[in-house]
Amino acid sequence: QLQLQESGPGLVKPSETLSLTCTVSGGSISSSSYYWDWIRQPPGKGLEWIGSIHYIGSTYYNPSLKSRVTISVDTSNNQFSLKLTSVTAADTAVYFCAREYTIREFDSWGHGTLVTVSS
Amino acid sequence: QSVLTQPPSASGTPGQTVTISCSGSSSNIGSYTVNWYQQLPGTAPKLLMYSNNQRPSGVPDRVSGSKSGTSASLAISGLQSEDEADYYCAAWDDSLSGWVFGGGTKVTVL
Repeated sequence: QLQLQESGPGLVKPSETLSLTCTVSGGSISSSSYYWDWIRQPPGKGLEWIGSIHYIGSTYYNPSLKSRVTISVDTSNNQFSLKLTSVTAADTAVYFCAREYTIREFDSWGHGTLVTVSS
Repeated sequence: QSVLTQPPSASGTPGQTVTISCSGSSSNIGSYTVNWYQQLPGTAPKLLMYSNNQRPSGVPDRVSGSKSGTSASLAISGLQSEDEADYYCAAWDDSLSGWVFGGGTKVTVL
């Protein structure tokens, strides 16, 4: 059974960088059929796609966040990571990692981790 | 403002059918398949429907999906109390080269 687990600081100061890691277990991140995605949900609001990465390193980013986002992959540790720079209160959200069957659906999700941006 | 448009709420009594619409454009729903997610309070979204009308293992057949042109819909028949949740549609968007979601529909069982 595939499992995804987000980890990282729950509190980030304004203007600093948010960094999260998603650890994949029960399956390999090095599968050609899948992308690995980050999706967020501000409190009380809907889902927003942040970006995705394939194990070979190709990426897609949400145009509205592209200038601040970097997603990377570590196949040796079966992990992928998110960095979001220059954060503001608007970046406060639950951040989910998910497995994407390429351009078809998100078939497996992590539980999510709340990141609060505050001084 | 979400790229895909869903009604903010829908409701029905136990046993009734509730239908949720999802409206998009030629660059997303018109060109790609639609999937649907159910999100119970405080939990991660769960895949409910993929490729417009395919149910993952474990999703009951009283849940169905359809797509026509640039719109899609999700129907839940035989409504039960455990169906109370938020529902989101999603599709790939060619013009954005990324995923877009609907704003979500809160289903209430009266």
